[in-house]
Amino acid sequence: GQNIDQPTEMTATEGAIVQINCTYQTSGFNGLFWYQQHAGEAPTFLSYNVLDGLEEKGRFSSFLSRSKGYSYLLLKELQMKDSASYLCAVKGSSNTGKLIFGQGTTLQVKP
Amino acid sequence: GAVVSQHPSRVICKSGTSVKIECRSLDFQATTMFWYRQFPKQSLMLMATSNEGSKATYEQGVEKDKFLINHASLTLSTLTVTSAHPEDSSFYICSVAVPGLAGYEQFFGPGTRLTVL
Repeated sequence: GQNIDQPTEMTATEGAIVQINCTYQTSGFNGLFWYQQHAGEAPTFLSYNVLDGLEEKGRFSSFLSRSKGYSYLLLKELQMKDSASYLCAVKGSSNTGKLIFGQGTTLQVKP
Repeated sequence: GAVVSQHPSRVICKSGTSVKIECRSLDFQATTMFWYRQFPKQSLMLMATSNEGSKATYEQGVEKDKFLINHASLTLSTLTVTSAHPEDSSFYICSVAVPGLAGYEQFFGPGTRLTVL
């Protein structure tokens, strides 16, 4: 079956660093996406990993280990506006673009 | 990328009525669109893959006769919730598949909040 796991909730302090983990078991793998979603809004793209290693983009970085079925999203210098849900999604097939989403991690940034 | 719009943004209807939600790709001709449903504090659940000019592909457990999908043009897909009931109240989001990362990348619409009384 297909399974993607993320912690349900996390809390961190403004200015700190937080790591959101995602483990997956899927039939086929063609990349892993991280999306940010504010309440009542559409998800917005943050990062994409298809090869092992770390991808850095400003304050956000994403890591992938395909052998371990594991990824994490690292957020540095947290800001209040980073309070949102973070969705991990795996692309199993390259033909259709279909994504399988994890349940999402709700991050609350406190002053 | 692609700019995606949805209409309406919010809709309230009575139980037993049907509701149509539109998803438009404003700057990209989309052969494939996706429809998701999201319940409060939960993640996106894929309902179906909408294919231009052919029948939609529904995910397991999604009733195709209840959730009618029409993708008659490269810029418009519609989702009709027939005989809506309170348990159908949810946030419905569409996305457009654009060639890019990992073959295809998804760009999401702003969502439609459906409340069934």
